[in-house]
Amino acid sequence: DAGITQSPRHKVTETGTPVTLRCHQTENHRYMYWYRQDPGHGLRLIHYSYGVKDTDKGEVSDGYSVSRSKTEDFLLTLESATSSQTSVYFCAIGRERETQYFGPGTRLLVL
Amino acid sequence: GQQLNQSPQSMFIQEGEDVSMNCTSSSIFNTWLWYKQDPGEGPVLLIALYKAGELTSNGRLTAQFGITRKDSFLNISASIPSDVGIYFCAGQDSNYQLIWGAGTKLIIKP
Repeated sequence: DAGITQSPRHKVTETGTPVTLRCHQTENHRYMYWYRQDPGHGLRLIHYSYGVKDTDKGEVSDGYSVSRSKTEDFLLTLESATSSQTSVYFCAIGRERETQYFGPGTRLLVL
Repeated sequence: GQQLNQSPQSMFIQEGEDVSMNCTSSSIFNTWLWYKQDPGEGPVLLIALYKAGELTSNGRLTAQFGITRKDSFLNISASIPSDVGIYFCAGQDSNYQLIWGAGTKLIIKP
């Protein structure tokens, strides 16, 4: 299994509060991704990174920002959480762009 | 936008049966990936396919990259209880974006 951890694994927060999710890898993979998974929508890409300080938007990036200041960490921030951002968030990593390995997920509930 | 049709949506099978599921697209893909997701966990990569016509096995799992590059199938032989879960296909387009199927839920009949 790829060495990926996500923290926290579960979080409950209130509407309007900022939230930061962390993805940490020990594989030295270049590519890192943030997805959300919702019933009826499957996996949707939020943002991805192709190197330190190099990031790009995915399909559902509105309301989210990311940062990658070092190879092993990729942070996802919800500046002002909304109930529509209640979801399960997955981080993924990849040595090349062709394959992705997923972390265990973070369950976020925004009340 | 690009869409992937994954079928069937769910399958009820007896232990020991063979299973087949597939994904089709209106677009050409350069890579096909098959993942399995257990409840409360992240998807786990099962098989990656990189060339049209490629047939790859991983234990009891076999997947093929369609000749037209618009489809892929996954077969599971002699299913066992731990095969239960949701199987996802994903196709990678020329911009390296992964397009995901909606998943096939595999359920073992008691």
